[in-house]
Amino acid sequence: DVKVTQSSRYLVKRTGEKVFLECVQDMDHENMFWYRQDPGLGLRLIYFSYDVKMKEKGDIPEGYSVSREKKERFSLILESASTNQTSMYLCASSLGGSRNIQYFGAGTRLSVL
Amino acid sequence: DQQVKQNSPSLSVQEGRISILNCDYTNSMFDYFLWYKKYPAEGPTFLISISSIKDKNEDGRFTVFLNKSAKHLSLHIVPSQPGDSAVYFCAPRDTDKLIFGTGTRLQVFP
Repeated sequence: DVKVTQSSRYLVKRTGEKVFLECVQDMDHENMFWYRQDPGLGLRLIYFSYDVKMKEKGDIPEGYSVSREKKERFSLILESASTNQTSMYLCASSLGGSRNIQYFGAGTRLSVL
Repeated sequence: DQQVKQNSPSLSVQEGRISILNCDYTNSMFDYFLWYKKYPAEGPTFLISISSIKDKNEDGRFTVFLNKSAKHLSLHIVPSQPGDSAVYFCAPRDTDKLIFGTGTRLQVFP
């Protein structure tokens, strides 16, 4: 079974704090993704990575950065958290290739006060 | 500019009946379509998929239909069960990315 693990289920942070969300997958997947889910907006892609040290912007990268130093780990960084970044954050991974089934972690619900 | 639309935010169906969830898209280059199911406090899980070279794919109680000319796909669940109550997302593939719709919340009542 593919396992994607997000380090925290719930986080509460203050405006202006630097926030790290960690994601680890155990299936040697090439691709990793960070999404946020908001009511009425579905899942929106923030950043993704095809390989170690590679990153690509998704649809809403503003205010975020990412790091992928090892194949199994993909970190999302909020450099200076703001209240509009309060959301559910979901990490996913997939093999490269034609079918691209993404496997998701359980999510981190982040509240920025 | 939403490329993928699920116009029904919610759907309520009686147990045993058919549930039909719809999805419309604008990009004719999408060539592979996935459906995900999401329970509260869990990540989405893959449910079923269809390639653009097919118009139907079936897996047990779940069938996905694709109408390429109309840029429309639908997910049929027959018979619906209370455990099917969840949010369903359609997600066409765009190269190595998935473009998720806004989701439809299905509630199956006894």
